Amino acid sequence: AQRVTQPEKLLSVFKGAPVELKCNYSYSGSPELFWYVQYSRQRLQLLLRHISRESIKGFTADLNKGETSFHLKKPFAQEEDSAMYYCALNSGYALNFGKGTSLLVTP
Amino acid sequence: IAGITQAPTSQILAAGRRMTLRCTQDMRHNAMYWYRQDLGLGLRLIHYSNTAGTTGKGEVPDGYSVSRANTDDFPLTLASAVPSQTSVYFCASSLTGDSNQPQHFGDGTRLSIL
Repeated sequence: AQRVTQPEKLLSVFKGAPVELKCNYSYSGSPELFWYVQYSRQRLQLLLRHISRESIKGFTADLNKGETSFHLKKPFAQEEDSAMYYCALNSGYALNFGKGTSLLVTP
Repeated sequence: IAGITQAPTSQILAAGRRMTLRCTQDMRHNAMYWYRQDLGLGLRLIHYSNTAGTTGKGEVPDGYSVSRANTDDFPLTLASAVPSQTSVYFCASSLTGDSNQPQHFGDGTRLSIL
């Protein structure tokens, strides 16, 4: 069965500190993984996807098939990064979301 | 501006009433989706449609129905609302139903069932 696990409900870091939001998945096929972000009072929006191997707003995520992980990383957190982050796996017809991690960056 | 429009923004509804949440997109996307977002549970798929005229059940379809008469519209209906359907509902679309396609989301509808 497809499953996405985000073990941390809440992650609090200081501005300028590195941040890593964890995501592990279980999927029998070749996974298509995404990170979505929801800022306060805004709609859910795509942050990045593993297939494009890009860096958006300083965030990167590498697919590690051996560890079945797709952790989101940023070397220096900013206050404007505070938001809800969802890892998602496309199971072939729709997205399977993790329960989300709320990131709080404090000054 | 192209995108997804959901209506209403919020609604308070008495249990047992019928309610239709509207979703319209102008991006000519083939695939559309309905999710509910609940605290501690993330987003869960209710129903989806890969193309006009077809629909499929997601993870939590019970108590909900959808239709896809055309490409642009994908309404979600609660035939007889119950308090457990209190949630925030998000409509989304993607160019196709292929797994590598990102989804675009609406602003959501906050629904409270009393």
